[in-house]
Amino acid sequence: DTAVSQTPKYLVTQMGNDKSIKCEQNLGHDTMYWYKQDSKKFLKIMFSYNNKELIINETVPNRFSPKSPDKAHLNLHINSLELGDSAVYFCASSQVGTQYFGPGTRLLVL
Amino acid sequence: SQQGEEDPQALSIQEGENATMNCSYKTSINNLQWYRQNSGRGLVHLILIRSNEREKHSGRLRVTLDTSKKSSSLLITASRAADTASYFCATDRGGGSQGNLIFGKGTKLSVKP
Repeated sequence: DTAVSQTPKYLVTQMGNDKSIKCEQNLGHDTMYWYKQDSKKFLKIMFSYNNKELIINETVPNRFSPKSPDKAHLNLHINSLELGDSAVYFCASSQVGTQYFGPGTRLLVL
Repeated sequence: SQQGEEDPQALSIQEGENATMNCSYKTSINNLQWYRQNSGRGLVHLILIRSNEREKHSGRLRVTLDTSKKSSSLLITASRAADTASYFCATDRGGGSQGNLIFGKGTKLSVKP
């Protein structure tokens, strides 16, 4: 049983396109996150939602828009993709303290 | 600026040896966590140590925290080839920033059989 799942696992697209990444957790957690890991493995938080409400919004271009239809799902929509958006995007969830990560979505913008 | 900084950036040891990784941070914290990331995979939580704790054990893992020096160490004893991975520390400042984990750059551990 997958605790935190993401789709797609790989995403290759052209500059300027719009794409979405989906995340679902079956752990019953209230809080979900999106992280970006760059080519140097540096991991940085982008957004955090608690019970469908945005609580953390780091300095991220407004081309990135998270949406939480319910507390088990947190999707990430990216408009007008740029080369610099190429990275691995991780979804995570937590209740208190420990965060549980998804397997990642590898985005390559050409 | 980045909160956590791991040291060393890379570590190569033989199976059976101990591996020690260090993490330094800059601001006060509520807790500090260590995560492991195998190549091409997501992060897996290893251990959480609260700011009022000094040492914690979990199996072959031992974590220490020195809040006066703003540093933590992760010791893996009797390492195995399967321990090969990147290890990250992450700090949680708590309060209004609770859950906003600040990750270090990681230590890449290679354990040779």
